[in-house]
Amino acid sequence: EAGVTQFPSHSVIEKGQTVTLRCDPISGHDNLYWYRRVMGKEIKFLLHFVKESKQDESGMPNNRFLAERTGGTYSTLKVQPAELEDSGVYFCASSRPVEGGSYEQYFGPGTRLTVT
Amino acid sequence: AQKITQTQPGMFVQEKEAVTLDCTYDTSDQSYGLFWYKQPSSGEMIFLIYQGSYDEQNATEGRYSLNFQKARKSTNLVISASQLGDSAMYFCAMRPLSGAGSYQLTFGKGTKLSVIP
Repeated sequence: EAGVTQFPSHSVIEKGQTVTLRCDPISGHDNLYWYRRVMGKEIKFLLHFVKESKQDESGMPNNRFLAERTGGTYSTLKVQPAELEDSGVYFCASSRPVEGGSYEQYFGPGTRLTVT
Repeated sequence: AQKITQTQPGMFVQEKEAVTLDCTYDTSDQSYGLFWYKQPSSGEMIFLIYQGSYDEQNATEGRYSLNFQKARKSTNLVISASQLGDSAMYFCAMRPLSGAGSYQLTFGKGTKLSVIP
């Protein structure tokens, strides 16, 4: 089966501009997650979708970030307006719920965002 | 709150030798899962192995095994018979298996493993 795909692989934008990242989860995975790794720091959770609903967005840094998941399929993460501190690698992951919760999340290759 | 500590920023191992990557964790949850991921230079995060907090036996997956010591809150990854393709970043992660935040993975900073021919 195809893995999690993300587009673009790399984006360079200027401060104040808008960028939209896209994630296509593994087919049949209702759960979709966004994570971010800022330079030199740990990978941090941003939010979690179950189908089209936001289950947990406690990790979203501020209201400049907007995530959507249209029809419970692919997801987008928009940053508007972008700031320098938004630079980093944005990972998307997906999973299917398994009884007892002992399931793994499958990650995409990430989108490297550089804000100049 | 949960915390993962990987104290080895970088490790070297001779090809065909075994290597242990350290990971300690801190959590107040009674039930939790521990995960290891590999990130090669291509960037994709590859799931390697899982250990549940209630699992009595150490997890094994091919050349990967875990040395899980619950009382010491450590879950070290052992890679046997290292191959050049094992050169990558390795991340230890955990999440609670129930309750609030049970879908959130908490990651360590990672260990960069280099396999020497």
